[in-house]
Amino acid sequence: SQQGEEDPQALSIQEGENATMNCSYKTSINNLQWYRQNSGRGLVHLILIRSNEREKHSGRLRVTLDTSKKSSSLLITASRAADTASYFCATGSNYKLTFGKGTLLTVNP
Amino acid sequence: SQTIHQWPATLVQPVGSPLSLECTVEGTSNPNLYWYRQAAGRGLQLLFYSVGIGQISSEVPQNLSASRPQDRQFILSSKKLLLSDSGFYLCAWRPGTVGSYEQYFGPGTRLTVT
Repeated sequence: SQQGEEDPQALSIQEGENATMNCSYKTSINNLQWYRQNSGRGLVHLILIRSNEREKHSGRLRVTLDTSKKSSSLLITASRAADTASYFCATGSNYKLTFGKGTLLTVNP
Repeated sequence: SQTIHQWPATLVQPVGSPLSLECTVEGTSNPNLYWYRQAAGRGLQLLFYSVGIGQISSEVPQNLSASRPQDRQFILSSKKLLLSDSGFYLCAWRPGTVGSYEQYFGPGTRLTVT
């Protein structure tokens, strides 16, 4: 079964706006990761947040983690057309990751 | 720096034909290696992973198999393809050191079984 589930399934915004995607998971984790996938391409690792962290930043990305609610959010600020992609959260054990179905983000110029 | 290669990029095969997809990683030693399949509009399904040469763990019982003949080579195979094997196949690697959790993906192979 899927460990992470992203919400919403699809999101369409205008360039310059902020985009927020959410991820819920079911079991305890030691870290949660976010990946981006451009259409027809492989996934690219964006950011990892550990279970003892509440917030992490990387450039225009901000990730939060609430282990009490078993949820995470990914915020992309000042979005660009090039941010158009699918975004996946992933959780897992030492060797394996389980991915959600992703959020398809469309940024309109 | 590390790079990961997958080939072919696209493949169209008839039902019942064999399959061999290859993945190689450069610039690292003893990586953990992974094969995933992604159906259209869906998330990734882990098929196999390997923590060392000759060590393969299967996640989903099916007519696919994997092998790791060399440290940085991972092969996905089938003796007879089914229509349901169509999809986007992704290879990934992760450093074999404890505490390294990020995975790095290849460009993928689009397989269509006709």
